[in-house]
Order: sequence, then structure tokens, then C-alpha cells
Amino acid sequence: AQSVTQPDIHITVSEGASLELRCNYSYGATPYLFWYVQSPGQGLQLLLKYFSGDTLVQGIKGFEAEFKRSQSSFNLRKPSVHWSDAAEYFCAVGEGAGSGNTGKLIFGQGTTLQVKP
Amino acid sequence: DGGITQSPKYLFRKEGQNVTLSCEQNLNHDAMYWYRQDPGQGLRLIYYSQIVNDFQKGDIAEGYSVSREKKESFPLTVTSAQKNPTAFYLCASKSLLKISEAFFGQGTRLTVV
Repeated sequence: AQSVTQPDIHITVSEGASLELRCNYSYGATPYLFWYVQSPGQGLQLLLKYFSGDTLVQGIKGFEAEFKRSQSSFNLRKPSVHWSDAAEYFCAVGEGAGSGNTGKLIFGQGTTLQVKP
Repeated sequence: DGGITQSPKYLFRKEGQNVTLSCEQNLNHDAMYWYRQDPGQGLRLIYYSQIVNDFQKGDIAEGYSVSREKKESFPLTVTSAQKNPTAFYLCASKSLLKISEAFFGQGTRLTVV
């Protein structure tokens, strides 16, 4: 069955420290992978996406993620965390384009990031 | 500006009532989706629609209904059959013509009183 796992429910880092949020997926076909961020009471904003090509993708707000097919992982990283990065982060896998494509997304459970001053 | 608009932002439902959540998009997207979000459970798919006048059940459709009479609109009705409706509801839309991301509305928080 298709699934996404975010092993860390809650992470706390100090401002200025580096960050890595883990994401593992199980998907039968070529995965299309996404990271979204959500502030409290708000909708989801796309941070970055991987469709094909270079396995290291850059996103907004200084985030990057690396697709590793052999490990079925798509971990999110940031070299230096800012207090404004405190939010909930969701990894998702989705179907691509083409006949029969529903465009559905399968989400992980989310990781809440707390940033210490 | 193009985007997805959900209304209302907050909604209160009495026991036994049906309530309808609105979702409108002006992105000309074919597909629209409703997700339910509960703490620690991520987002779960309620219903989705790939084309006008057609929709499919997602993983947790019981107690919900939808319609898709216009491409721009995909309202969700939470019926009295939904026993635990208190949650945050998110609407999304996506193009099916190309590989792309889904765009989300700002959400509606529904509370049973």
C-alpha cells in the first residue's frame, strides 16, 4: 500500500542550528514528492517538489530536499533555522499526469518544528 | 489574484445539523479535493473530483457529501451522520494536464457545540 512516514512527530532546534526532517515513502510507481508547511490555523504552502532530474531540489525560504530512491526517502534540510520556521511540516507523495491520474496526495503525519531562541 | 477561497473560516454546528463548507478556485484546475486534518493524523482525503458532475469517495467519506456543478466550486456538506465532525477542513485544487503541485485554501475549522 502507498504510504508516507514522518518518523519525528515533534522536533526542537535552536535558532541558527541546522535542521533535517525525515520522510520515507512507499509507492509502486515513480514518486512525485512534495514538502508543505503549515502555520497554525492556516492552509498548506508548498516548500518544494521533486518530479524528476536532479535529486537535490531547492525550495523557498532556504529549504532543500534530497530524493534518494535506494532509501525511499525525501528528507528536508535547512542549514540555519530562523524563529519564523516554527510550523508543521508535511511530506506527501502524489500521482503524476496522464490518463487515469487522480492527482491525489498521500500525506505523512506531519512534524511539528519548535525553534528555541 | 488566482487562488482557492474557503469559507467560512470558523463554523459551529449543533448536534443533528447539516452544514456546508464552501470552496471556490479561479485557477482553472480540473481536480478538486477535500481533506480532513486532525492533530497527529496528517491529512486524510474525504472526496475528490476530477471533472464537473463527477466525484469519488476518498478514504473517509462516510458522513460527508459533495457536489461539483461548476468547475470552480466544490462544496462539502458535513451531515448529521458524521459522528465526530470537529476538525480542520482543507480544500485543494490541481491541474491534471501536467505534473504539478496541489494548491490549498486557508481552511475551515468546524466545531460541534
